[in-house]
Amino acid sequence: NAGVTQTPKFQVLKTGQSMTLQCAQDMNHEYMSWYRQDPGMGLRLIHYSVGAGITDQGEVPNGYNVSRSTTEDFPLRLLSAAPSQTSVYFCASSYVKGGTEAFFGQGTRLTVV
Amino acid sequence: AQSVTQLDSHVSVSEGTPVLLRCNYSSSYSPSLFWYVQHPNKGLQLLLKYTSAATLVKGINGFEAEFKKSETSFHLTKPSAHMSDAAEYFCVVSPSYNTDKLIFGTGTRLQVFP
Repeated sequence: NAGVTQTPKFQVLKTGQSMTLQCAQDMNHEYMSWYRQDPGMGLRLIHYSVGAGITDQGEVPNGYNVSRSTTEDFPLRLLSAAPSQTSVYFCASSYVKGGTEAFFGQGTRLTVV
Repeated sequence: AQSVTQLDSHVSVSEGTPVLLRCNYSSSYSPSLFWYVQHPNKGLQLLLKYTSAATLVKGINGFEAEFKKSETSFHLTKPSAHMSDAAEYFCVVSPSYNTDKLIFGTGTRLQVFP
């Protein structure tokens, strides 16, 4: 049982480049989300989805796009990378129900130069 | 509005001594509360959760937390620290009606000295 799988683990981008961070889960969870983790700031929600075809913005959505064509996959796209997007990105999934546990991927460490 | 405050950014203890990581929350609704642990270069792992059942919650690796509504606190404790407990710990609040708003604290880094 793989849980939540993120790829790649590390990435270096040049300013202005675009890329997609992949996230897949095999637990049939309806809810998936993307967070970024910056020193001293905890995790901040970027985008989330409560099911296939449904996405919404979180706390810090600017510069990122998402789509949810299947229950399993929830990719995060950086349209034009900026140094301010240097961060560690985590994907998480859970059942859409109050108080349930969120399962996290191992993270993607992104550096934009 | 929901929020969570972790009162210490760093906590240092000696191996074998008690651990106390403090968390205060603010929520307009009956919240669910979680503690997650993140070991270096790893993802987040659930330690324990409170969802309006028993106020004293036991988690993995000997950790426990007590929900105190009157103090709006959810402090994490462990009687005896182990070297392997060195990690970053996050207190998280979620409104009971909605899981799409996990609110994270800024984290507490726990150091354990031999």
